Order: sequence, then C-alpha cells, then structure tokens
Amino acid sequence: AQTVTQSQPEMSVQEAETVTLSCTYDTSESDYYLFWYKQPPSRQMILVIRQEAYKQQNATENRFSVNFQKAAKSFSLKISDSQLGDAAMYFCAYRRRDDKIIFGKGTRLHILP
Amino acid sequence: KAGVTQTPRYLIKTRGQQVTLSCSPISGHRSVSWYQQTPGQGLQFLFEYFSETQRNKGNFPGRFSGRQFSNSRSEMNVSTLELGDSALYLCASSLDEGLGPKNIQYFGAGTRLSVL
Repeated sequence: AQTVTQSQPEMSVQEAETVTLSCTYDTSESDYYLFWYKQPPSRQMILVIRQEAYKQQNATENRFSVNFQKAAKSFSLKISDSQLGDAAMYFCAYRRRDDKIIFGKGTRLHILP
Repeated sequence: KAGVTQTPRYLIKTRGQQVTLSCSPISGHRSVSWYQQTPGQGLQFLFEYFSETQRNKGNFPGRFSGRQFSNSRSEMNVSTLELGDSALYLCASSLDEGLGPKNIQYFGAGTRLSVL
C-alpha cells in the first residue's frame, strides 16, 4: 500500500528566510502525481504545487519549489523568502491516476517575525 | 465567482444519530470529492463523484455514503454516528475528473462535526 510520510510535525522559520519541508512516499508505481497543500487557520485547503512523476524538472510556483527525487521517493517543498502568511499546516499528498489521494500527517509551519 | 460552499459550518450530534452534510461546488465544476480530517488519522479521502457517479471510494465503513445531484451539488451522509466520527469534513470541487494539469481542486472551509 502506498504511504506518505512527513517526518517533521512542526517547524519554525524566521521571516524572509528559506525553509524546506520533507516528504517521502512509498509506491511501486511509476506513473503518479505528488502535491503540496497548505491549510491556514481558516481551514481552507489550497493547492501549493504539484509534480507529475514522469517530469524530471522540478515544479516551481513563485516562492515555492520542490525537490523531486524519484529514485529516493522524496518530494520536499522549499519556501523562499518566508512570509507571515505562509504560516499554516502543509500536507504532502500522493495520487495515482484514477485512484484515491493519500495524504501525509502534515507539518505545521510557524513564521517568526 | 463563488467558491465551494459547505453547509452547515458546525454541527453537534449525539451517538446513534445520522447526519447529512452538503457541498455546493464552484459553478461549472462537475467533480466533487470529500475528505475527513481528524487529529489522530489526519486527512483521509472519503469519496469522489463525477457526473452523479462515484468514481473512487476511500476505506470507510458503509455508514458513510454520498451522492451527487444533476447540478453537481453533493451530499454525504453518516448513519449511526460514533464518537470517532467527530472530525472536520472537507469538500473539494474541480472542473473535471482526473489529474489534467488545469484540473485543480478547490476546497471549501469544511463542516466541523462533533459527536457527543
């Protein structure tokens, strides 16, 4: 069975600094998708970034980028120039085509002013 | 354009009762998914509907059911409530089914269910 592991339950970063959130997953599939979602205190989940496993190039969205290591089954999220609004719970997720999505337990990110 | 609307926002029930939660997707979206979020189990997928048909189902007992109407609105029902059903239930909608690059899921703010 596929699993997603986020080993850091909580992290803190100084405003304007860079932080990396870790995620590893276990699968025997070769075609799948990986996601990072953000859940701020308002509870509304927002998609931050997604990566197709067949793409070697790492996805980027403004200050957010991923380091996708397919062989190592690692999918970390880097947030550059951290802002107070980045404070949230971050979930890593895995989904195979036509199958259900599986989430990690989440990492709570605190931004220190 | 209105976002995903979930009603009610908060709900308190007692054990043994049943509950129905509602989700109105973004206008034009035809796919709706439901998730359960608890401190212990985290975020878990419940169901996915597209064009009134269930496309995927998570590992939940038969007490959890759902449906989608012709206008894409969706409801989920939990019968014979247990204490462990206390959770935040999230709904998400997307334009289409599948994982096309432009098929992004938009989430509602959730329904907080407390079972006493």
